[in-house]
Amino acid sequence: DAGVTQSPTHLIKTRGQQVTLRCSPKSGHDTVSWYQQALGQGPQFIFQYYEEEERQRGNFPDRFSGHQFPNYSSELNVNALLLGDSALYLCASSLVYTLYGYTFGSGTRLTVV
Amino acid sequence: GIQVEQSPPDLILQEGANSTLRCNFSDSVNNLQWFHQNPWGQLINLFYIPSGTKQNGRLSATTVATERYSLLYISSSQTTDSGVYFCAQGGGFNKFYFGSGTKLNVKP
Repeated sequence: DAGVTQSPTHLIKTRGQQVTLRCSPKSGHDTVSWYQQALGQGPQFIFQYYEEEERQRGNFPDRFSGHQFPNYSSELNVNALLLGDSALYLCASSLVYTLYGYTFGSGTRLTVV
Repeated sequence: GIQVEQSPPDLILQEGANSTLRCNFSDSVNNLQWFHQNPWGQLINLFYIPSGTKQNGRLSATTVATERYSLLYISSSQTTDSGVYFCAQGGGFNKFYFGSGTKLNVKP
């Protein structure tokens, strides 16, 4: 049973560039959430997608955007990268309206230089 | 907003020792989860425990919702238990608020 898969695993970008991260949810899940985890901190909620729409958003600027496709997979886009965007980006999938069975991927480590 | 506080921030144990990690949360809880993040970054679900006590092998967890805290017990620790332990409180529509974690180092 495939869990949540994320790609790429590591990425190095230059300040000002744009990046796209990808996530495939666990089979049977319909909701995808994205989190940012800075070094030494707990994950922080970025936004969540259900039925191809952004349903909730955390305290992140508009430079962070996303998309969900009909097969429930999702992308996270970050424009105009800043050094402070360097972090581990985690994708989690779940069924709508429940946190039971919330499953995280292994993350994409983004380094902005 | 919802705040989750964990203690201690760092813990060093000798293999075989027992430990207790604590999580305090600011709001009444209907969803609480413990996660283990291994050294490679993978977040693994340990317990979904909005209330009561659960056990899984050497690990157990207790949540006292009325007093807004949860405890994670690790018995007979092993080096593979090393990593960061997070508790997270559910809020809003399918999202978690995470604490800052307890970094555990089990030495052989």
